Amino acid sequence: DGGITQSPKYLFRKEGQNVTLSCEQNLNHDAMYWYRQDPGQGLRLIYYSQIVNDFQKGDIAEGYSVSREKKESFPLTVTSAQKNPTAFYLCASSQSGANQPQHFGDGTRLSIL
Amino acid sequence: GQQVMQIPQYQHVQEGEDFTTYCNSSTTLSNIQWYKQRPGGHPVFLIQLVKSGEVKKQKRLTFQFGEAKKNSSLHITATQTTDVGTYFCAGTAGRRALTFGSGTRLQVQP
Repeated sequence: DGGITQSPKYLFRKEGQNVTLSCEQNLNHDAMYWYRQDPGQGLRLIYYSQIVNDFQKGDIAEGYSVSREKKESFPLTVTSAQKNPTAFYLCASSQSGANQPQHFGDGTRLSIL
Repeated sequence: GQQVMQIPQYQHVQEGEDFTTYCNSSTTLSNIQWYKQRPGGHPVFLIQLVKSGEVKKQKRLTFQFGEAKKNSSLHITATQTTDVGTYFCAGTAGRRALTFGSGTRLQVQP
């Protein structure tokens, strides 16, 4: 069954620690996206990738990093430079082009210990 | 940068009442998409509008794209408890990624 898998579902980070959120898709989509969702603020774009080995910063990229070494995978690292990382993180994918519908994973909820 | 605003932020209706959420962009959009996120879930794509003045219907849901392609609306007729969730609009204007609105949370009282 095709879809997007995010792991883990819940993640806890200690002060000064980097953590990596996994996102895998088997929809054969070229484009992948990472969003941050805070209560009442909608979805804010962190990074996006239109093709393997290429990615662009979104609106709130500071304190985050990504890689796109494989078409199926787009991991997000929340670095210690992100001072307020507690949020719900959503990964999405779509066919190439910003006018394509996006398919979302179930999300990862990150909290600070 | 591009901004997409939605109103109201929250609406509580009695089952059977109608509901409308409005989406406004600071720039002309090439397209507008609508998503629904159930409580505790992830956004699910509902529909896309591309043409100026376009109107599309999905059962009790009616979607409109403004003539100037800077605003859109979603209207639900005779709400049901299954309509509960947050409705987001999202649009593109130039850059190759969507900008999401802040969403309207709908609560339906049985």
